[in-house]
Amino acid sequence: GDSVTQMEGPVTLSEEAFLTINCTYTATGYPSLFWYVQYPGEGLQLLLKATKADDKGSNKGFEATYRKETTSFHLEKGSVQVSDSAVYFCALRDPWSGANSKLTFGKGITLSVRP
Amino acid sequence: DGGITQSPKYLFRKEGQNVTLSCEQNLNHDAMYWYRQDPGQGLRLIYYSQIVNDFQKGDIAEGYSVSREKKESFPLTVTSAQKNPTAFYLCASSIIQGYSEAFFGQGTRLTVV
Repeated sequence: GDSVTQMEGPVTLSEEAFLTINCTYTATGYPSLFWYVQYPGEGLQLLLKATKADDKGSNKGFEATYRKETTSFHLEKGSVQVSDSAVYFCALRDPWSGANSKLTFGKGITLSVRP
Repeated sequence: DGGITQSPKYLFRKEGQNVTLSCEQNLNHDAMYWYRQDPGQGLRLIYYSQIVNDFQKGDIAEGYSVSREKKESFPLTVTSAQKNPTAFYLCASSIIQGYSEAFFGQGTRLTVV
C-alpha cells in the first residue's frame, strides 16, 4: 500500500539556520505530493504541493522538489524564523490506489526555532 | 468565506457515553474525511466519503460511526466501543478527482474522563 516516511524528530534550529526535512514515499501509481504545516492547537494548512515528477512546490520561502527517481519530496528553507516553529507533515494522494480520494500522511516532525 | 467548520473545539465526555463531532463544509467538495491525531503517530484515517449516503472505513474505523446525509455535512460519532477515544480529531474535504489537496478544519479535542 501507499506510505510516507519522514525523518525522525524533533528538530531544533537557531533562527536563520538552513532547514531540511526528509520525506520519502511508496506508491503504486503517480501520486501528488504535499507538505502540510500544523501550528499548536490548530488544523493542518497546505504549505506547498507538486503534482508530477521534477515539479518544485514553493511557498513562504519553503521549497520541495518531486524526485521520482529517489521517491522523495524533501522540504527546505534557506533561513528559518521563530514563526516557522510547528509540526510538518508530508503526504501523498494517489488516484491509482483504488481509493482515490484518500491522503496518506507521514508521522510528522516537530520543528522548534530558537531566537 | 469558504471553509470547513468543526465544532466544538473542546469536548469532554464521561467514559461509556457516545459523542458526536460536527463537521460542515461550504466548499462544494464531494469528498470528506475524518482523521485522528495522537502524539507521535501522525494522522490516521477513520472514515471517508466520496458521495452522499456512501462512506468507507479507513484504517481505524472500529468504535466510530459516520453518516453523510448532506453533501455539506459529515458528522462523526465516537461510540462507547472505542477503547481510547481521547484524541484530536480532524475533518477534511477535497474534490473527488485528480490531484487536489485536502482542506482541513480546526479540529476537535475530545477528552474522555
